[in-house]
Amino acid sequence: RKEVEQDPGPFNVPEGATVAFNCTYSNSASQSFFWYRQDCRKEPKLLMSVYSSGNEDGRFTAQLNRASQYISLLIRDSKLSDSATYLCVVNMKGGYQKVTFGTGTKLQVIP
Amino acid sequence: SQTIHQWPATLVQPVGSPLSLECTVEGTSNPNLYWYRQAAGRGLQLLFYSVGIGQISSEVPQNLSASRPQDRQFILSSKKLLLSDSGFYLCAWSGLGLNYEQYFGPGTRLTVT
Repeated sequence: RKEVEQDPGPFNVPEGATVAFNCTYSNSASQSFFWYRQDCRKEPKLLMSVYSSGNEDGRFTAQLNRASQYISLLIRDSKLSDSATYLCVVNMKGGYQKVTFGTGTKLQVIP
Repeated sequence: SQTIHQWPATLVQPVGSPLSLECTVEGTSNPNLYWYRQAAGRGLQLLFYSVGIGQISSEVPQNLSASRPQDRQFILSSKKLLLSDSGFYLCAWSGLGLNYEQYFGPGTRLTVT
């Protein structure tokens, strides 16, 4: 089993739609979770950290399910500018300094 | 605010040539620093990380090395490049925040020919 696993997609959704991505992780001792966004040929940018109680930032909602070892990202009212690859990031071992990136889920928002 | 710089932005090097990529961070002190590589169509692979000057941890055995000569400077080097070293090299920093969120520089796209 991969340490961090994501559906590569692509997810093709119309503008205004709601889309959700899941990411599973293998280490039950993981403590820190993040979603990053990466545009084509650019660096990843932190979208949001994921907290145990779940958190929301505008149209974006992140959830953590420790029992099933997955995190999710929900995007409401999709915009064309949301088109990107979304990376799931989990800290796996060696403390908080090191994290493992998933290979990403590609989202394409269609006009 | 904190900023992270990397250069050069793109680089084309022949097999067997040396490599030196530099990363500097501004606006913070004693950051954790990281070097990642992203091969075409693949995920980010952690190469090195550093928690302080002169302290380097290597994650993947390879012909690359890293050094941290100053608190906010991180250098990735190779004596002889291989074709398989081609990729997108990203430097990142993290502070001592609650979750150690990492922030990335703009990256260097390296093509070894």
